[in-house]
Amino acid sequence: EAGVTQSPTHLIKTRGQQATLRCSPISGHTSVYWYQQALGLGLQFLLWYDEGEERNRGNFPPRFSGRQFPNYSSELNVNALELEDSALYLCASSLILAGGYNEQFFGPGTRLTVL
Amino acid sequence: SQKIEQNSEALNIQEGKTATLTCNYTNYSPAYLQWYRQDPGRGPVFLLLIRENEKEKRKERLKVTFDTTLKQSLFHITASQPADSATYLCASLNAGNNRKLIWGLGTSLAVNP
Repeated sequence: EAGVTQSPTHLIKTRGQQATLRCSPISGHTSVYWYQQALGLGLQFLLWYDEGEERNRGNFPPRFSGRQFPNYSSELNVNALELEDSALYLCASSLILAGGYNEQFFGPGTRLTVL
Repeated sequence: SQKIEQNSEALNIQEGKTATLTCNYTNYSPAYLQWYRQDPGRGPVFLLLIRENEKEKRKERLKVTFDTTLKQSLFHITASQPADSATYLCASLNAGNNRKLIWGLGTSLAVNP
């Protein structure tokens, strides 16, 4: 069974540009989560999508946005890039289990560098 | 605010010894705690989950405990091996339905041969 996939692996942009990151969840998983992991800051929750709807978002400005498509794949868009957006962006998918005990499966990440 | 804290200092141990990592939570009551392993430049990999009504969970050489009185989870790796060297992350979900996991910063473990 294929795991979570993300593309591209690496992305280099300049300040002010826009970045689009993509994620394909494990087959059958309806929930997709996006995280930012900057050096020394740990995993910061960005967005959660389930069944095509945004269910929750972390403390990030509106220039971080995304969507989930009918096939449950997802896209993260970052507009007006700033230097501090440089980080590893991780996507995870999960099933929604009874009781909310949802193990998350992570993709390999997209390394975004903003110059 | 709801917070998870893990030892920020790297843990260095000798091969064959037991590694013990700590996860403390404050200002909330997790419905469960999860432990993940992360290797450099890669996404975390799920290891174990323990629910609030469970005291202990085991999987092969791994053991997790959950002490709601101390507000703490301990993660043990017995008979450690150099291949266990990685960063270990603790994550939890508050009782509720928002699915927003709270993550610790992780503890780096180095097992020396």
